[in-house]
Amino acid sequence: GENVEQHPSTLSVQEGDSAVIKCTYSDSASNYFPWYKQELGKGPQLIIDIRSNVGEKKDQRIAVTLNKTAKHFSLHITETQPEDSAVYFCAARAGANNLFFGTGTRLTVIP
Amino acid sequence: GAVVSQHPSRVICKSGTSVKIECRSLDFQATTMFWYRQFPKQSLMLMATSNEGSKATYEQGVEKDKFLINHASLTLSTLTVTSAHPEDSSFYICSASPTDGYTFGSGTRLTVV
Repeated sequence: GENVEQHPSTLSVQEGDSAVIKCTYSDSASNYFPWYKQELGKGPQLIIDIRSNVGEKKDQRIAVTLNKTAKHFSLHITETQPEDSAVYFCAARAGANNLFFGTGTRLTVIP
Repeated sequence: GAVVSQHPSRVICKSGTSVKIECRSLDFQATTMFWYRQFPKQSLMLMATSNEGSKATYEQGVEKDKFLINHASLTLSTLTVTSAHPEDSSFYICSASPTDGYTFGSGTRLTVV
């Protein structure tokens, strides 16, 4: 089955700086890669996703890049704000299979 | 956008009792819903896939007799934790896939005392 690894597990940045979270996956058939933000005591919220037919996608301060050859994808948050502080999860899915989640990154944005 | 509503958000129950958690798709029909379990500071682990009108598919190691899933309509799936024990205390989250992505409920914090 799919194995998704995520790094780092914790990340602290100064407000205004950029944050980068990286994930690798094992199943070359995976074609859908969402990123979720989870605040304490709440369910995950989709913040951005990318499919295997594109290499990069951007939505305001958030961008995701995908390298299919290397089987890794990254989340980039620019101009970080304190409200970006949360746990971020990457995930991967092959076809109609289930989502496989990474282990999560706790991001802290220091004011 | 698509909304998945999950209730209750928190529940405390005594050991040995059963607890039911509801997951509803509010503005779309969901033939399939997913149930996850999340321990503190850990990732989401898929417990089972709920299929409308048929039996749920459980992941390896998940006791189907303990975690009863019913998906009787296209907008409602329920997870019942039977004979709950303290080790069942966890954060339970449901999700559904209205289009190609997944929408998650707000989660249920179960505490068994």
